[in-house]
Amino acid sequence: QKEVEQDPGPLSVPEGAIVSLNCTYSNSAFQYFMWYRQYSRKGPELLMYTYSSGNKEDGRFTAQVDKSSKYISLFIRDSQPSDSATYLCAMLDTGGFKTIFGAGTRLFVKA
Amino acid sequence: DTEVTQTPKHLVMGMTNKKSLKCEQHMGHRAMYWYKQKAKKPPELMFVYSYEKLSINESVPSRFSPECPNSSLLNLHLHALQPEDSALYLCASSSQGDTEAFFGQGTRLTVV
Repeated sequence: QKEVEQDPGPLSVPEGAIVSLNCTYSNSAFQYFMWYRQYSRKGPELLMYTYSSGNKEDGRFTAQVDKSSKYISLFIRDSQPSDSATYLCAMLDTGGFKTIFGAGTRLFVKA
Repeated sequence: DTEVTQTPKHLVMGMTNKKSLKCEQHMGHRAMYWYKQKAKKPPELMFVYSYEKLSINESVPSRFSPECPNSSLLNLHLHALQPEDSALYLCASSSQGDTEAFFGQGTRLTVV
């Protein structure tokens, strides 16, 4: 079993839809949770960073962490074609340094 | 400014060549990382430097040799690579080991 599970998709939605992206994990030591967006042939761009459980909102993006269920989510409201990219969840344990990535979900937003 | 700068953006090298990848950040971050990413796969950690000292080497072949000349610079020296080493090489930095990492745009390496 992988430490972090993420459905690779692809996920295709119409413009304006609410997108829900999810990851599950098995290591209860994970304390720091990130979402990265990666466009084709570019480096990952940090979207959201959350410590421990709870919600965090930034513009059209909301990140949720449920440590009791070992489940994290990223919601994108009013999705745009420019949101078409691969979304990677990532986690760090308290020891730090080693970021564990999910497989990445490929998202396509159709105009 | 959350910028990590990598050069070159593209590199084609033969299997007998020696080349270097460079990475620079001016955010005062004390942890710097090299990752390798193959197409449609997540980044794989190669090396971690903390306070300019190598702290993690993920059993990377010796044909990859990292170097951290100072707190802002990170190099990856390449020698006698194989075609299967062709990938996107990403540099990242974080303020400390337990904070979020910021990535550069990567060097797309092709070994012929």
